Formats: sequence, C-alpha cells, structure tokens
Amino acid sequence: RKEVEQDPGPFNVPEGATVAFNCTYSNSASQSFFWYRQDCRKEPKLLMSVYSSGNEDGRFTAQLNRASQYISLLIRDSKLSDSATYLCAGNPSGGSYIPTFGRGTSLIVHP
Amino acid sequence: GAGVSQSPSNKVTEKGKDVELRCDPISGHTALYWYRQRLGQGLEFLIYFQGNSAPDKSGLPSDRFSAERTGESVSTLTIQRTQQEDSAVYLCASSLGLAGGPQETQYFGPGTRLLVL
Repeated sequence: RKEVEQDPGPFNVPEGATVAFNCTYSNSASQSFFWYRQDCRKEPKLLMSVYSSGNEDGRFTAQLNRASQYISLLIRDSKLSDSATYLCAGNPSGGSYIPTFGRGTSLIVHP
Repeated sequence: GAGVSQSPSNKVTEKGKDVELRCDPISGHTALYWYRQRLGQGLEFLIYFQGNSAPDKSGLPSDRFSAERTGESVSTLTIQRTQQEDSAVYLCASSLGLAGGPQETQYFGPGTRLLVL
C-alpha cells in the first residue's frame, strides 16, 4: 500500500460548486501534512499546511483526522482558476526527513 | 526575492549519454531535495541534502544516479548512461530546515524536463 493515496479524479465541477478531496496516509508517525497545487507543466506550489486538526484560508479548508488517517481539502465557491492537480504530502517525525507525496487529484472547474 | 531555480529547463539527450542537472536553492536554505515526476505520476523522492551532506541516498533509482552539493548552495544531479525510462521532470525543492521540523516548508523550482531518445 502506498504511504499517501489520493483519488486521481478528475473531479469535474461547475463554477461555484463546493468540492472536497480526501487523502489517506498509512504512516501513523506522520507529523505534518501539506496540500500543494500543481498546474500543468509547472512546479508544485504550497497551498496549505496542516499541523493539528485543520486550517482555513479563504475558500480553502483543510482538515486532519488522525484517528482515521486522512486529510481533506474543501474548496468552496470554485473558480475556473482552481482547475489544477492537488497534491497531498505527509512529512514524517522522529528521524526520517523524507516527505511522501500522493499522485495528485485532478480538478476541472467548468463554466 | 529569488526562488529556487533549475537549469536547464529542458534537456533532450540520446540514450547512453550523461546529463547534469543543476539546482540553485533559496539563499539560506540548508535543506535541499531532489524529486522525479513521471507524466501523470506523483513526486518520487530521490535524495536530500542537509547542508552539503546527503545522509540518505536510498531513493536514488540506480548507481547511474548521483548528486552533490557544494557550499550549502548549488546542487547537481548527474545521470550517467541515460536510459529512456529516465525521461521525466526532475524537481528540486529547498527549505530552511528538514522535513518533519519547524522550518520544513518546501519551495519548488520549475524543474528540468528530461527526454532521453
């Protein structure tokens, strides 16, 4: 089983919709989590970090459920410009310094 | 301020040739990571540096891959005797501190797109 798993999608939603992605992780020692946005043929850019139960930034909300070992990303009032691939990453604790990335979830927001 | 830069942005080479990829991290960032991303795939960890030291090389796919970092700044990833399966985007990221620590946020460079014919 991959350490970080994501539904690749694509999630195809109309403008204005609310959409949520989940990311599951298998390493219970993972300490912190990140959502990155990656546009086509571009590098990943940090969207949000999640250290405790959750984080909110405008239309974006990330939540962490340690008991069930998943992180979610909620996007409200989707914009056309939100179309991208969203990568989930987990950082370890306790001596391993290697982040693990999911394969990404593709989001397409249409008019 | 300046972000992470990588060169070349694109590289086309013939099978069997050696290639060298360069990464210039953000000034002052002690941690530097190399990843490989194949088309439609996630990021595959290759190697990280803490300063000039690379404590864990287990992510390198084969002994054809090597990396070094000098002066706690520039890093080069070298692929010898390239194979077609080496074709991918090679991404570099830097951070103030190592992953799992308080200054772990990684900033990515634009990547080098390598195509091995």
